[in-house]
Amino acid sequence: QKEVEQNSGPLSVPEGAIASLNCTYSDRVSQSFFWYRQYSGKSPELIMSIYSNGDKEDGRFTAQLNKASQYVSLLIRDSQPSDSATYLCAVMEYGNKLVFGAGTILRVKS
Amino acid sequence: ETGVTQSPTHLIKTRGQQVTLRCSSQSGHNTVSWYQQALGQGPQFIFQYYREEENGRGNFPPRFSGLQFPNYSSELNVNALELDDSALYLCASSLSGSSNYEQYFGPGTRLTVT
Repeated sequence: QKEVEQNSGPLSVPEGAIASLNCTYSDRVSQSFFWYRQYSGKSPELIMSIYSNGDKEDGRFTAQLNKASQYVSLLIRDSQPSDSATYLCAVMEYGNKLVFGAGTILRVKS
Repeated sequence: ETGVTQSPTHLIKTRGQQVTLRCSSQSGHNTVSWYQQALGQGPQFIFQYYREEENGRGNFPPRFSGLQFPNYSSELNVNALELDDSALYLCASSLSGSSNYEQYFGPGTRLTVT
């Protein structure tokens, strides 16, 4: 099975700072990439999808994709304590199957 | 728009028993995927159902089986439960045949096997 790697963290940032979350993947043919947020004891919530190289912005979130480097990142601007959660990177394999990383724990300190 | 729902929320079973988990897809979606999430890990793909047929399977043994119904809802069945089957079981719905590949998760079923 193809792999998706994330730093497990925790990543600690002060309130108002930019949080940068990174993900690398092994399957060169992957075309679809996703970021999910998961609060403790809850299910994953889709926050961003990205299919093309470059940046995609949605509110305080920016996803960045570099297929040549097999690298996906998520930037969270003006981080809030409510952003504290585990962030899961997911890559879609052939057959619309999502392969997830183990997640990065983000802690935003007020 | 109705989101993805799952039942039951929590379940406790004994090793060797069988369990059935249920999922209703989001309105307008025709595909259901099931995932298993162990504590501290990312979700692992079990299988996907589209047009009432299994449409891809992960590295799970045959005692994990499923169904999809004409209304696109789905069941996950697990026979001969093992202690390692204790996990959060997630279903995700999506719309196959579109250019949107996003999958949306339900709240999950927490299964504990003792």
